[in-house]
Amino acid sequence: DGGITQSPKYLFRKEGQNVTLSCEQNLNHDAMYWYRQDPGQGLRLIYYSQIVNDFQKGDIAEGYSVSREKKESFPLTVTSAQKNPTAFYLCASSIGGRVLSGTEAFFGQGTRLTVV
Amino acid sequence: GQSLEQPSEVTAVEGAIVQINCTYQTSGFYGLSWYQQHDGGAPTFLSYNALDGLEETGRFSSFLSRSDSYGYLLLQELQMKDSASYFCAVRDHNGGATNKLIFGTGTLLAVQP
Repeated sequence: DGGITQSPKYLFRKEGQNVTLSCEQNLNHDAMYWYRQDPGQGLRLIYYSQIVNDFQKGDIAEGYSVSREKKESFPLTVTSAQKNPTAFYLCASSIGGRVLSGTEAFFGQGTRLTVV
Repeated sequence: GQSLEQPSEVTAVEGAIVQINCTYQTSGFYGLSWYQQHDGGAPTFLSYNALDGLEETGRFSSFLSRSDSYGYLLLQELQMKDSASYFCAVRDHNGGATNKLIFGTGTLLAVQP
């Protein structure tokens, strides 16, 4: 079955440590996105990628980094520079890319990151 | 800047009809989408409007007015399972250079017996 997979589901990090969240899709989608969601809040865009080897900052990119070396994978690193990293992180993909398209975005089940 | 505004909470009873509004401000616009998210879960796609007018999908309908930068999601024959957060989203082309997917602040719908 095609889909988008995030791992791990729960992640605990000590202050000052970098941590990488995995996102893999087998939908052959060009576009991939990372969002952060705080309790009772909306989805805020961290980074997005329209095509392999290309990505752009979203609205809250500070303290985060990404890579897009493969079409299927878009890992997110939460660095020690992110002052308040505890949140629910969602990865999504869509056909998008540079194609004008209104097709839906598919989401992973999310990673809940807690700094301890 | 970019912003999508929605009411924070809406309460309705089973069997009723509820409308969730969304106003947006973006530098570019491809279309307005709606997503549903149950507590702790992944958002799932409900509908998409690229042109003005009403799109109907079962109990859910979505409306768009591009001239007013406004849309709404209409939920009919409400069921308890419709209790969830609902987000509007805009695909913003930012003048043709990018293809960002931006979400609204979300509306928490509580359906009561």
